[in-house]
Amino acid sequence: ETGVTQSPTHLIKTRGQQVTLRCSSQSGHNTVSWYQQALGQGPQFIFQYYREEENGRGNFPPRFSGLQFPNYSSELNVNALELDDSALYLCASSFRGSYNEQFFGPGTRLTVL
Amino acid sequence: AQTVTQSQPEMSVQEAETVTLSCTYDTSESDYYLFWYKQPPSRQMILVIRQEAYKQQNATENRFSVNFQKAAKSFSLKISDSQLGDAAMYFCAYPTPGGSQGNLIFGKGTKLSVKP
Repeated sequence: ETGVTQSPTHLIKTRGQQVTLRCSSQSGHNTVSWYQQALGQGPQFIFQYYREEENGRGNFPPRFSGLQFPNYSSELNVNALELDDSALYLCASSFRGSYNEQFFGPGTRLTVL
Repeated sequence: AQTVTQSQPEMSVQEAETVTLSCTYDTSESDYYLFWYKQPPSRQMILVIRQEAYKQQNATENRFSVNFQKAAKSFSLKISDSQLGDAAMYFCAYPTPGGSQGNLIFGKGTKLSVKP
């Protein structure tokens, strides 16, 4: 059973650029959630995807967008990067239908200069 | 607003001793789940233990147990026989209301150090 994977591990961008982060769900999972974790803070929910549609969103602006593909992998896109977007971005997969455990990936560390 | 409060930014414990991490939360729901996650320096968030609010019995997973006080909205984590590998950030979390998949709300975390 393959766990949740994310790529890239680290990324450095400059303000105003766009970035795409990728996540592969754990086998058998059909739901993907994305979280932003600023340094020294707990993760904050960005949005969730189920059946390729957004299924819930946290308090993040529209320049944060995502996709879920038929194989349940997912992308997080951030446009017009700001310095405050520097954070660890975590992807978590789960199986919809119950309060099942969310399995987290190792995260992508994004630095915006 | 739904909140999770972890009042101890840092804790330290001697190897083989017991430590308790505190968590309080605020929800208007009557049925919900509560979670403790561990995040070691490798960054990968790992579920430590889960409590179902409608169950009165406190959850236990090996050396990890919780003290769940529903009326007080308190959910503390007890680690017995602490090991060096327990050193990590610990986050308390619960799902946003109405979210069957648990779009989790996290506390700010407690950094646990284990002294040999």
